[in-house]
Amino acid sequence: RKEVEQDPGPFNVPEGATVAFNCTYSNSASQSFFWYRQDCRKEPKLLMSVYSSGNEDGRFTAQLNRASQYISLLIRDSKLSDSATYLCVVNPYRISNFGNEKLTFGTGTRLTIIP
Amino acid sequence: NAGVTQTPKFQVLKTGQSMTLQCAQDMNHNSMYWYRQDPGMGLRLIYYSASEGTTDKGEVPNGYNVSRLNKREFSLRLESAAPSQTSVYFCASSGPGTGDNEQFFGPGTRLTVL
Repeated sequence: RKEVEQDPGPFNVPEGATVAFNCTYSNSASQSFFWYRQDCRKEPKLLMSVYSSGNEDGRFTAQLNRASQYISLLIRDSKLSDSATYLCVVNPYRISNFGNEKLTFGTGTRLTIIP
Repeated sequence: NAGVTQTPKFQVLKTGQSMTLQCAQDMNHNSMYWYRQDPGMGLRLIYYSASEGTTDKGEVPNGYNVSRLNKREFSLRLESAAPSQTSVYFCASSGPGTGDNEQFFGPGTRLTVL
């Protein structure tokens, strides 16, 4: 079983729609969670961290369910510029003062927003 | 700030050739990383350096060596390239003071080994 599993998609969604991705992780001791965004042929960039209480950043909402070991990302009122691959990222260790050396990346979910 | 820079952007090698991928960051980060990204595999950690003077193996270190030249620079060397090393290579850095210890990535090097 992969440590981090995502539906690869592609998700083809009309502009303005709401879309949700899920991600599951296998290590129940995982400490921190993130969503990264990667545009075609570009580097990954942090979209948002995922907190136990859930968190929102504009049109984006991230949720964590530790009991079921899954993370979700909800995008409301989707824009053409949201087209990208979304990477679910898990850190099995408590973040140290030196950074998070052991991030585990999912393979990504590709999203295309259709005009 | 340039952030994380990588050279070269593209490279084609023949099997058995060697090369070094260069990475530099200007954010005063302690930690630096080398990943490879292959279709259907996600990003996989090759080596990392938690601080200047230290390096450690990641998930897929075979066939690679690294050097943390100073706090800014972290290079990845392929001593004898193999077709299985065809991939996109990303360097990243992180450090205290970055939000949630976010990793910042360079633009990548696209390597083809024939």
